[in-house]
Amino acid sequence: RKEVEQDPGPFNVPEGATVAFNCTYSNSASQSFFWYRQDCRKEPKLLMSVYSSGNEDGRFTAQLNRASQYISLLIRDSKLSDSATYLCAGRMEYGNKLVFGAGTILRVKS
Amino acid sequence: DAEITQSPRHKITETGRQVTLACHQTWNHNNMFWYRQDLGHGLRLIHYSYGVHDTNKGEVSDGYSVSRSNTEDLPLTLESAASSQTSVYFCASSESPAGGQFFGPGTRLTVL
Repeated sequence: RKEVEQDPGPFNVPEGATVAFNCTYSNSASQSFFWYRQDCRKEPKLLMSVYSSGNEDGRFTAQLNRASQYISLLIRDSKLSDSATYLCAGRMEYGNKLVFGAGTILRVKS
Repeated sequence: DAEITQSPRHKITETGRQVTLACHQTWNHNNMFWYRQDLGHGLRLIHYSYGVHDTNKGEVSDGYSVSRSNTEDLPLTLESAASSQTSVYFCASSESPAGGQFFGPGTRLTVL
């Protein structure tokens, strides 16, 4: 089983829709989590950190569910510009290494 | 502004050649990482460093080496390039153990 798993999608949604992605992790000792956004042929860019208490940044909300070992990303009022691949990453208990999921593709259509 | 750069951005080489990919960051981060990204595999860690003269193997380190002689640079060397090393390579750095990593623009390497 992969340490971090994501549904590859694609998620095809209309503009203005709310969409949510989940990411499951296998190591219960994982310490911290992040969501990254990656545009085609570009580098991953840090979108937000995921805290136990949840984290909101504008239209984006990230949550951590330790009991069920998953993190989620909710995007409200989707824009065309939100179309990208969203990567989740978890930091294992040892060191500063991140383990990445393979990504979820989001396509927002007008 | 502080940044992280990679060079070259594109490279075509032949099987068996030695190739070095450069990574330079101006954030003064101690932690630096090299990943490769392939379709179906996502980002996989090759090598990483927690500071000058420190290097560690990641999950796909065979055929790669790194050295860290200063804080700013972590060059990645492919000792004898193989076609299986055709990939997009990303360098990243982070300041704190709890913080996220910031990625360079990537190097697209093709081994013929």
